[in-house]
Amino acid sequence: DAKTTQPPSMDCAEGRAANLPCNHSTISGNEYVYWYRQIHSQGPQYIIHGLKNNETNEMASLIITEDRKSSTLILPHATLRDTAVYYCIVRDRSGKLIFGQGTELSVKP
Amino acid sequence: GAGVSQSPSNKVTEKGKDVELRCDPISGHTALYWYRQRLGQGLEFLIYFQGNSAPDKSGLPSDRFSAERTGESVSTLTIQRTQQEDSAVYLCASSPDSYYGYTFGSGTRLTVV
Repeated sequence: DAKTTQPPSMDCAEGRAANLPCNHSTISGNEYVYWYRQIHSQGPQYIIHGLKNNETNEMASLIITEDRKSSTLILPHATLRDTAVYYCIVRDRSGKLIFGQGTELSVKP
Repeated sequence: GAGVSQSPSNKVTEKGKDVELRCDPISGHTALYWYRQRLGQGLEFLIYFQGNSAPDKSGLPSDRFSAERTGESVSTLTIQRTQQEDSAVYLCASSPDSYYGYTFGSGTRLTVV
């Protein structure tokens, strides 16, 4: 099962784009990349997922490299409410999500 | 309801007592997951249900932990003879099947004193 590597923490200025990187060099061809976030004291919230193509929704964009060994979650205009722990996850063969330590994003005024 | 509902939201219990935690998934969601999150830590996978069968129980930490699911509806996580290290937030999530994103509940905060 693929594992992911993320920086433990990042800062971003309010109103700027937040780019959160993730490495998943052992990902296999049919495994999806999922992103969740967890705001303090709340359950995790689904953000976006993708397989090969870049994806965009109302919350974020997901850029996956051509070799699929890494991806970047982009929050185009970060707000203070985007301060959270962001988890990049590769779904395993059984379908369950294994959460790592994530990236703690701090959006600063 | 519109989301995943967990009850109770908070539970304080004495060491050695048994506790039951309940999860009501979103209607129609066949997949249901339980996770545990200790203070300041990441999420630990406990168990996964597809319908009322549990193909993956690999995360249950000991035989004091068990879980059941009634059809494609409510699930209960039971912890027998609770220990202080069981103190954590227990999170439940459901999804339409094993390949969609999960929706998480708000969790049950369990404190063993």
